[in-house]
Amino acid sequence: GAGVSQSPRYKVAKRGQDVALRCDPISGHVSLFWYQQALGQGPEFLTYFQNEAQLDKSGLPSDRFFAERPEGSVSTLKIQRTQQEDSAVYLCASSPRENTEAFFGQGTRLTVV
Amino acid sequence: AQSVTQLDSQVPVFEEAPVELRCNYSSSVSVYLFWYVQYPNQGLQLLLKYLSGSTLVKGINGFEAEFNKSQTSFHLRKPSVHISDTAEYFCAVGRPDSGGYQKVTFGTGTKLQVIP
Repeated sequence: GAGVSQSPRYKVAKRGQDVALRCDPISGHVSLFWYQQALGQGPEFLTYFQNEAQLDKSGLPSDRFFAERPEGSVSTLKIQRTQQEDSAVYLCASSPRENTEAFFGQGTRLTVV
Repeated sequence: AQSVTQLDSQVPVFEEAPVELRCNYSSSVSVYLFWYVQYPNQGLQLLLKYLSGSTLVKGINGFEAEFNKSQTSFHLRKPSVHISDTAEYFCAVGRPDSGGYQKVTFGTGTKLQVIP
């Protein structure tokens, strides 16, 4: 597709369940970002990849959060043992190279019950 | 550290009236400034950005913003709004990182409601 694609669009998880959120960036985009947007808040930075290298993971809230981009294209954000406070929209964005405009996907809305 | 303040959580305005959405930022270093728009059930879309140069920046859909360094503000304006402008607007500040990417901090958003 032409834009950043995220799947699933909606995910309901029971507390304690592991989840995996997928991001397909725009083809050829070098940079990839993950953001977390809680209800009523702005997006908050989680992590950044340049190709397959995870250069910054300072925004990951706990060691239950893990992100990977093994071949420098598709990325997966994994959350282990989900908690209610993990409920949020998770946004993925990609950009063609460093310090250029990032294009956002529609996000995955995660609800932990 | 950098931060963004959007004081107005909601702004109602009549169709064809002008609107200003306020944004103030703080940062100890030079930054880039952005406005994004988020329509219901859609991703964030870049409206405009200030990197350097002219302080008046024009974006898509007739929006513009003015960078005011002394007041650390980057207010968004449109002279005449349409119903289709109803959306949530996020101000953001980006700092070039030594890793060659922008680490962006978003405000909490302002919901613009255009009233027919």
